[in-house]
Amino acid sequence: GNSVTQMEGPVTLSEEAFLTINCTYTATGYPSLFWYVQYPGEGLQLLLKATKADDKGSNKGFEATYRKETTSFHLEKGSVQVSDSAVYFCALSDLWGKLTFGQGTILTVHP
Amino acid sequence: GAGVSQSPSNKVTEKGKDVELRCDPISGHTALYWYRQSLGQGLEFLIYFQGNSAPDKSGLPSDRFSAERTGGSVSTLTIQRTQQEDSAVYLCASSLLTGTQHFGDGTRLSIL
Repeated sequence: GNSVTQMEGPVTLSEEAFLTINCTYTATGYPSLFWYVQYPGEGLQLLLKATKADDKGSNKGFEATYRKETTSFHLEKGSVQVSDSAVYFCALSDLWGKLTFGQGTILTVHP
Repeated sequence: GAGVSQSPSNKVTEKGKDVELRCDPISGHTALYWYRQSLGQGLEFLIYFQGNSAPDKSGLPSDRFSAERTGGSVSTLTIQRTQQEDSAVYLCASSLLTGTQHFGDGTRLSIL
């Protein structure tokens, strides 16, 4: 079956630091890949997505590239802000749109 | 309010009682999904409705769980004879066909 593995958290960074959250997946076929974010006290929101190999998703300074050869979709941001503190989930969808999520990574950014 | 609406936002009930959770999807969205977010299991798929097709119930953890979607719109997730391990946040999402899913704020269920 499908599965998603995220790097263990929590991750604590200072403002303006570089962020990487690793994500690898196992899937049959060619899934779409997503990063979702859950800010404190808020619901789950789509951050970015990529639907085929070598696609790069980007939003709010975050980027992730769909790497079929390494089955990865690592999230990166060059300079994090305090407002980026949240829980980040990597996910993939099957043909019917059902999402399989990673465990989630808690990010805390200090001023 | 154009987003996915879930009610109640919080529910506390005694072990053994039945509960009903409601999801009102975005108007016109054909697909509706239920997920559960718990400390031990993370975020997991429960059930999926697409138009008038038979639902995909492959993620339901036991036969105490059931869901229906009336008129292709509102959905109700029912948990019978609740157990403490059912405590979680239940999330609903909707989408156009298999497009981007939009999530509600969830129902936090606590079983005493």
